[in-house]
Amino acid sequence: SAVISQKPSRDICQRGTSLTIQCQVDSQVTMMFWYRQQPGQSLTLIATANQGSEATYESGFVIDKFPISRPNLTFSTLTVSNMSPEDSSIYLCSSWVGQGLRADTQYFGPGTRLTVL
Amino acid sequence: GENVEQHPSTLSVQEGDSAVIKCTYSDSASNYFPWYKQELGKRPQLIIDIRSNVGEKKDQRIAVTLNKTAKHFSLHITETQPEDSAVYFCAGHNAGNMLTFGGGTRLMVKP
Repeated sequence: SAVISQKPSRDICQRGTSLTIQCQVDSQVTMMFWYRQQPGQSLTLIATANQGSEATYESGFVIDKFPISRPNLTFSTLTVSNMSPEDSSIYLCSSWVGQGLRADTQYFGPGTRLTVL
Repeated sequence: GENVEQHPSTLSVQEGDSAVIKCTYSDSASNYFPWYKQELGKRPQLIIDIRSNVGEKKDQRIAVTLNKTAKHFSLHITETQPEDSAVYFCAGHNAGNMLTFGGGTRLMVKP
C-alpha cells in the first residue's frame, strides 16, 4: 500500500490566522484530493489538486479560503485561510495509487486535526 | 453528480453475529465501490472494494455485493469481533475519478 504522510498532525490556532497543511506521497501520483471531516461526520471533498494546473474546487469551497499548491507529483499543500471556529475539523489528503500504470485504490493520509479558538 | 446514501447510521450487534450495511447510489456511470473502516482518531482504511463487472467479492469474514440494476451495494461482516467496532464508509466512484462517500455507519460489537 502507498504511504501518505501529512504535517502537522494537529494544531490549535487563533481565529483570523492561516494554517498550511502539507501532504507527501511516496510515489508519483496524478491526482491528489483534500477532504474535510467534521466531528462525527463523513468525508467531504474540498478540492482536487492536479500537478501543473489550478485545483478544482467542490461546491461550497473557494480558492480564497482554501488555496492549494501542487508543485510536483508527490506533494501538495492546503491552506486554511482567515480561520474561524467553524473551520475546526480534520483535514485529510488522499490519492489514487496502484501497481504499475494502474492507479486503482484511494489511500488516505493520517489527517490533520485543526482546532480554531 | 453522484449521491451515496448509507444505512443504518448506527448498528449494534452481539459478538459472533453478522452485520450488514447498505448503500445506494444515484449515478449509473459509477463503476467502483470501496468500503473504508475508520477507527477512532485514525485515517480511513480500505477494507474491500468491488467493481461494476462483478456481483460479489469476499475476503475472509468480509463480503461485498453489488446490484447494478437497483444501484445498491452492501457490506457483510460475519462472525463479528469487538475489533470490528468502528465507523464504516461506503463510496461510489464515477468517470470524474472522484469518490463520493456515504454518511457512515457506526458499528458496535458487544462482547
